[in-house]
This record gives sequence, structure tokens and C-alpha cells, in this order.
Amino acid sequence: QQQVKQSPQSLIVQKGGISIINCAYENTAFDYFPWYQQFPGKGPALLIAIRPDVSEKKEGRFTISFNKSAKQFSLHIMDSQPGDSATYFCAASMRGGADGLTFGKGTHLIIQP
Amino acid sequence: KAGVTQTPRYLIKTRGQQVTLSCSPISGHRSVSWYQQTPGQGLQFLFEYFSETQRNKGNFPGRFSGRQFSNSRSEMNVSTLELGDSALYLCASTEVASGGYGYTFGSGTRLTVV
Repeated sequence: QQQVKQSPQSLIVQKGGISIINCAYENTAFDYFPWYQQFPGKGPALLIAIRPDVSEKKEGRFTISFNKSAKQFSLHIMDSQPGDSATYFCAASMRGGADGLTFGKGTHLIIQP
Repeated sequence: KAGVTQTPRYLIKTRGQQVTLSCSPISGHRSVSWYQQTPGQGLQFLFEYFSETQRNKGNFPGRFSGRQFSNSRSEMNVSTLELGDSALYLCASTEVASGGYGYTFGSGTRLTVV
């Protein structure tokens, strides 16, 4: 059972555009929602994370939007740059829980110059 | 501050063999978690260790096991390797057992089973 569904699988955006990746979760006990960025040959790196008590969090060009009632959250990358080309994973967990992170399947993002 | 170190980076094994992978967490981090990453299944939770105790294990067969030492370093072992065990194995460390909060991942060990 896939508890976190991520879309799209792949995304091509022009330099300077907005990249949007969406995730939906099923387990209402989740209370921690991070996004990870992974480059080839590297492990995932934490990009930004949100708790369900806020609807939006912004760090630089990266913004998470969170809709608790719809059980959805999304990552927006503003002014997308070629260096943002990577695979992005959303995830969810019960903070302090023992089941680790449940990851989405990933989005391969390509920013065209 | 050194990051999470995983060794070896690459490994080729034959079906039926066993393999041991190593993870050294960031200094001061006492929790280590392991994940398997494959193109088909994505990133899947294997197990989490804190203070030398396994807190939980994901949905993997008993061939997958691990342990944590008193210095927080961790090893995972896969016995009787199958072709489907080919994957990138990632470990992540945090200061305390956190349910995934504040993970720092290593670069992984790429295991190929032939």
C-alpha cells in the first residue's frame, strides 16, 4: 500500500519558470512532511519540511504548500535554475515514531536553459 | 563536521552470498536508519537503530539484519543474496530517534547482485 503518492514522475521546466510537484498522503497520523533533493551518485538531502499546523513554508526559492483537509502538499520552486535539475522526493512520518519516513516515488526534474 | 560515511561505495556479489555494509554516523548522532532505494520501489525503510537497539524494521525478509555498536556505527547484513537485492542502500543519522526528523543521509552503497 503506497501511503504517499507523488506526481508527476518527470517534469521539464524552462529556466526561470516555476516547478510544481505534488504529493498526497493517506495516513492522518503523519505529522512531519519533508522534501528531499537527490543528485546522481548522492544520497537525498533535506530541502525543506513542514508540520501540519501551518499551511505554507518558504525558504528562499522553495515553498511548501500544505492542505490538511485534502491530505495534500506540494513543492514550488520559483525561478527554477539548471542547477535545480535533480530528483525530488516528498516524504511523511510520525515525528518520533519508529517507522521512519514513507517516501513518494520521486519526480525527475529537468530545468532547460 | 564530517557527514555520514558509508562503505564500501560499490559492491558486486553473487547470488547466494552474503554482504555486510557499514555506516558511520555524524559525530554525536546516536540514531541510524537504513533505507533501500530501487527504481521500481523507490526508497523503502529497512530499520532504525538507537542506542544499540533496533526500534523497528520495515517490511523486509529476515535475510536483512543489522546492528549498532556502542560508538553508534551501524552495519547491515543481507544473507543469501537474490538478484532483487540489487539496490542503493542508504543510511541516515540523527541525534536522537526521531521518526525521520532531521535525517542526514550518506551517499549510499551500490550493491549489484549477479
